[in-house]
Amino acid sequence: DIQMTQSPSTLSASVGDRVTITCRASQSISTWLAWYQQKPGKAPNLLIHQASTLESGVPSRFSGGGSGTEFTLTVSSLQPDDFATYYCQQYNSYPYTFGQGTKLEIK
Amino acid sequence: EVHLVESGGDLVQPGGSLRLSCVGSGFTFSVYSISWVRQAPGKGLEWVSYISHTGTTAYYADSVKGRFTISRDNAKDSVSLQMDSLRVEDTAVYYCARDEGFCTDGGCYRWFASWGQGTLVTVSS
Repeated sequence: DIQMTQSPSTLSASVGDRVTITCRASQSISTWLAWYQQKPGKAPNLLIHQASTLESGVPSRFSGGGSGTEFTLTVSSLQPDDFATYYCQQYNSYPYTFGQGTKLEIK
Repeated sequence: EVHLVESGGDLVQPGGSLRLSCVGSGFTFSVYSISWVRQAPGKGLEWVSYISHTGTTAYYADSVKGRFTISRDNAKDSVSLQMDSLRVEDTAVYYCARDEGFCTDGGCYRWFASWGQGTLVTVSS
């Protein structure tokens, strides 16, 4: 199975900050990677697929990058609505696997 | 608008069975594959199972293989997850998700584009 590791596990930041979350795969997954945002008590919401393709309706302050084994999710200027937990997920091969999550907290 | 609604979650004893249902609306259900993803209380996301749009292909996580069975009825726009021999560690919110993706010569690649609201399964004595 492909292991996905996110860092950091928790990130404290302020409104207006630029933040980056990193996701590493245990083997190459090309660009077969998605990012999801989840708020407490809610289902996850797709932000990005194929490592850098923004889902329709997702604000342009979100961006994704990387290929192979290292990927990033960047929020260029944090808004109050962005404080949530973020997960990466590989879909290169089954079993599809998720990172452990990064909780973005208000500083 | 794409809408997925899960149902069937309940409190069940270890070793018991439960059948979850996922009903889709707002899209042509029969052309999309569907997956189940679960989340234990306070934990991360875990992919559980996949079924192709025709129902002819299914995959399972090792943690549920041999105990869970996924099926679909396109006439009713629904997917079911039959869960047998339930364990305490199966306690989680179970989400169904509509897959998006495509296939190439190298394989098929799908992400979870739309999610239901989830249904809670609690396995406890």
